[in-house]
Amino acid sequence: DQQVKQNSPSLSVQEGRISILNCDYTNSMFDYFLWYKKYPAEGPTFLISISSIKDKNEDGRFTVFLNKSAKHLSLHIVPSQPGDSAVYFCAARVNAGNNRKLIWGLGTSLAVNP
Amino acid sequence: KAGVTQTPRYLIKTRGQQVTLSCSPISGHRSVSWYQQTPGQGLQFLFEYFSETQRNKGNFPGRFSGRQFSNSRSEMNVSTLELGDSALYLCASSRQVSEKLFFGSGTQLSVL
Repeated sequence: DQQVKQNSPSLSVQEGRISILNCDYTNSMFDYFLWYKKYPAEGPTFLISISSIKDKNEDGRFTVFLNKSAKHLSLHIVPSQPGDSAVYFCAARVNAGNNRKLIWGLGTSLAVNP
Repeated sequence: KAGVTQTPRYLIKTRGQQVTLSCSPISGHRSVSWYQQTPGQGLQFLFEYFSETQRNKGNFPGRFSGRQFSNSRSEMNVSTLELGDSALYLCASSRQVSEKLFFGSGTQLSVL
């Protein structure tokens, strides 16, 4: 039972355009969401996060939107650059009493074409 | 401030052997998590330790084990290696359990 789903395994975007990566979740107990970027043979690096009490968080070219009613999270990258080509993972934290852990999506591979 | 350090960076073993991977977290971070990544399988959670206690565990067989020391450094052990254990093993640290994670560069394990 996959609680965090990234339904698009891959995405291709032209340099300078917007990249939109999506993540759907099923658990209403998630209180915190994160996006990570990963290059091959390296560890993921943190990009941006959002608390469940907010619906938008922005950091430079990266904006995360949270739609709680739809249980949907999206990451917008504007403008996209070739160096953004990587695998993007979303993660959600379940926080229920003593049970606190991160649940990860399977990732979306983004290719930004020059 | 030094990041998360994982050693060794690369490792080649044969089936049936055992292996121990090491992770030094960021100074001040008390939680260490371990993940396995294989092509097309995303990040598979192994376990998380906080203050020397295992707080969370993923769905891996008992051949995979870990521990955390009083200085927050952590080790992961895999016994009786199988070909399918070939993967990138990632360690991440955070201040508290399941907070924002900072990952190391990983240990690339090849089992022949």
